[in-house]
Amino acid sequence: GESVGLHLPTLSVQEGDNSIINCAYSNSASDYFIWYKQESGKGPQFIIDIRSNMDKRQGQRVTVLLNKTVKHLSLQIAATQPGDSAVYFCAENGAGSYQLTFGKGTKLSVIP
Amino acid sequence: DVKVTQSSRYLVKRTGEKVFLECVQDMDHENMFWYRQDPGLGLRLIYFSYDVKMKEKGDIPEGYSVSREKKERFSLILESASTNQTSMYLCASNPLGQEKNYGYTFGSGTRLTVV
Repeated sequence: GESVGLHLPTLSVQEGDNSIINCAYSNSASDYFIWYKQESGKGPQFIIDIRSNMDKRQGQRVTVLLNKTVKHLSLQIAATQPGDSAVYFCAENGAGSYQLTFGKGTKLSVIP
Repeated sequence: DVKVTQSSRYLVKRTGEKVFLECVQDMDHENMFWYRQDPGLGLRLIYFSYDVKMKEKGDIPEGYSVSREKKERFSLILESASTNQTSMYLCASNPLGQEKNYGYTFGSGTRLTVV
């Protein structure tokens, strides 16, 4: 079946460096993508989203890039801070669907 | 601030007990979902609901049931709790999609331990 996956299950970065978290998706019909952040013991929180008619979207310290040609999604976090330590999930929904498919997550650890 | 509220953060129940997990959202969302989250397995959909009194099975419905008597409330029921149902349970909601925004809002989660 269709699935959303991640290239790296864990990522350690030095405080102040930029972080890049990657996600591969397999449903070429997906038209909406989201990144969630989940801190330990909490529910996932929305970070940023992007529609398939865009290839880049920026938020506060975060940028999402979408490459539909290779079905790849990435989350870039600028000047990573200790508070960014969490598990990050990508999610997609297929065209016409309001149900999301989630990746398994990447754990980001920030080294002070 | 919009919210999805799960009634308990932590629960400990005995094997064989009937367990109710409650979820309430204040965003007037049509869709509500129950997931369980386990290490290495990610988020797995148990049940979802498109509307009051409507429910659909997700990927892992066995051992669970749900109830949606009011639009804002979606309950997950473990008919007879077993130790393999020890997990983090997450409730989420999203609107029907009129604005083409299908992002979920999640609750804080309920960590259930069955002993």
